Amino acid sequence: DGGITQSPKYLFRKEGQNVTLSCEQNLNHDAMYWYRQDPGQGLRLIYYSQIVNDFQKGDIAEGYSVSREKKESFPLTVTSAQKNPTAFYLCASTNPPNWDNQPQHFGDGTRLSIL
Amino acid sequence: QKEVEQNSGPLSVPEGAIASLNCTYSDRGSQSFFWYRQYSGKSPELIMSIYSNGDKEDGRFTAQLNKASQYVSLLIRDSQPSDSATYLCAVKGGYNFNKFYFGSGTKLNVKP
Repeated sequence: DGGITQSPKYLFRKEGQNVTLSCEQNLNHDAMYWYRQDPGQGLRLIYYSQIVNDFQKGDIAEGYSVSREKKESFPLTVTSAQKNPTAFYLCASTNPPNWDNQPQHFGDGTRLSIL
Repeated sequence: QKEVEQNSGPLSVPEGAIASLNCTYSDRGSQSFFWYRQYSGKSPELIMSIYSNGDKEDGRFTAQLNKASQYVSLLIRDSQPSDSATYLCAVKGGYNFNKFYFGSGTKLNVKP
């Protein structure tokens, strides 16, 4: 079945440590996105990518980094510079951005906590 | 001003009633609008999408769009306890069509 796979489901970060969240999709979507969700809040955009080897900062990119070396994969690294990383992280994808009527599809999310 | 505004709720309705969820957006050029349902601790799942002014029905769900008023709504008929969740309104950017803007969500409680 086509879908978006995020791993791990739960992740714990030690002080000063970088951690990487995985996102893989087999929907053949060009555009991929990373969101952060804090308890009781909406989704805030961290980074997004429209095509391979290209990505743009979202609204809260500080302390995060991404890469897009393959169409299927869009990993997110939470760096030690992100002082408050505890949140629910969601990866999403969609068909090419100029296809106006295409929704985003979401993975199951990764819950990150500080040890 | 936020791009997408929703009443956070909670909205409480009795089982079998109609639940009405509302959303306003600021980007007048927006063309695509989506409603997602999110259960506690889970990821959002797409409920409805709407692109033209008027109503769009899918089972117990009806989405309504009024671009002149920059207003989107979701009606849930015959509400069930299983509909209890947070409903997120999402708008695909008009100015920046590569981005989706999400409201903070409305929490719906359906009482048996």
